[in-house]
Amino acid sequence: DAGVIQSPRHEVTEMGQEVTLRCKPISGHDYLFWYRQTMMRGLELLIYFNNNVPIDDSGMPEDRFSAKMPNASFSTLKIQPSEPRDSAVYFCASSLPGRQETQYFGPGTRLLVL
Amino acid sequence: AQSVAQPEDQVNVAEGNPLTVKCTYSVSGNPYLFWYVQYPNRGLQFLLKYITGDNLVKGSYGFEAEFNKSQTSFHLKKPSALVSDSALYFCAVRDMANTDKLIFGTGTRLQVFP
Repeated sequence: DAGVIQSPRHEVTEMGQEVTLRCKPISGHDYLFWYRQTMMRGLELLIYFNNNVPIDDSGMPEDRFSAKMPNASFSTLKIQPSEPRDSAVYFCASSLPGRQETQYFGPGTRLLVL
Repeated sequence: AQSVAQPEDQVNVAEGNPLTVKCTYSVSGNPYLFWYVQYPNRGLQFLLKYITGDNLVKGSYGFEAEFNKSQTSFHLKKPSALVSDSALYFCAVRDMANTDKLIFGTGTRLQVFP
């Protein structure tokens, strides 16, 4: 298996633009997590899904952020409009049924908002 | 609220020497505890977990962790450090009271010198 796949790996955009991050979880995994990592705030859980249903979105910073999981093999995290403080590395992770604590992380998307 | 604390931002150790990365926890009930490692420009990787049973848990790459209930600690250890162990290490606890998500510590950077 190729592991968790994230795209793009790097994104540079200007303030106010829409940003869409994509994730393909490992086949057979039914949990999907979105995290954000910054030097100032460390690793933060933004939202997670189980069987394509959002379970906990309490970490989503504000209405500018939205996440979807239309099917078991694809998820998106959208920021609209983007702001410089959104600059971070965004990770997607997935895990097997009943094993949500053992998470497999993707390589991350490094986002820079100018 | 469930939480973990990593009191050291950085740990330096010489290659071949034993290493310890500290973690303390605060939970209600029995803790589910984890260690993850992050190599440069990579996502996190699962190292080991404590659910129940033996207080000494063995994990990947020769790492082990000792669960100590009286001291509410879960320190990560390795008898002989390698330069390749240099990475960022995260302790985590499963938030059993709130959707079972993982709560990560702030991370400890381990630097192993030749």
